[in-house]
Amino acid sequence: AQSVTQLDSQVPVFEEAPVELRCNYSSSVSVYLFWYVQYPNQGLQLLLKYLSGSTLVESINGFEAEFNKSQTSFHLRKPSVHISDTAEYFCAPSSGGYQKVTFGTGTKLQVIP
Amino acid sequence: GAGVSQSPSNKVTEKGKDVELRCDPISGHTALYWYRQRLGQGLEFLIYFQGNSAPDKSGLPSDRFSAERTGESVSTLTIQRTQQEDSAVYLCASSLGPVGTTTSYEQYFGPGTRLTVT
Repeated sequence: AQSVTQLDSQVPVFEEAPVELRCNYSSSVSVYLFWYVQYPNQGLQLLLKYLSGSTLVESINGFEAEFNKSQTSFHLRKPSVHISDTAEYFCAPSSGGYQKVTFGTGTKLQVIP
Repeated sequence: GAGVSQSPSNKVTEKGKDVELRCDPISGHTALYWYRQRLGQGLEFLIYFQGNSAPDKSGLPSDRFSAERTGESVSTLTIQRTQQEDSAVYLCASSLGPVGTTTSYEQYFGPGTRLTVT
């Protein structure tokens, strides 16, 4: 079974500074990788995903994540954060075509003005 | 409807009572999931339905928890003899399912039901 580790429960960062939210998973066998975001008082929504092809994937709001098979990581990065990026971010890997994904414990990103 | 809906949005119940939570998935979505999110914690997988296959119940915490889904439509999560530790937000999500498209793995979440057991 797939397992996932988000080492940082909270990440404070100043506005316009870069940020990296870390995610490591246990199995690289036919893995699909997702990042979900939960903005304050809103439901969970998909931020970006890796299914196949290019190991670097991007979201429409400037986040990117890179699938690193050797390190079993899928860290989320943004070169310059905005106040509106304040949210909780969940890494969610799945394995081998099976629809079941395993959600991490989440990282709360707090952008400081 | 346009998205996943859940009802009720909030439920306060007394310890020992049974509760039933409802999820209406997006029309056409064959996969349906239930999760639990306790305050300050991540998502805890409860159960997964895929089409007419037997559900994956591996995440249900005890036999007080059960869920049903009729075909590819509404699902209900039932918690019997509620305990205070059952207090949480219960989230439902649906996805298109294994139809060979790259979008089939994305889960669409409902707004959740906040359950408070007093």
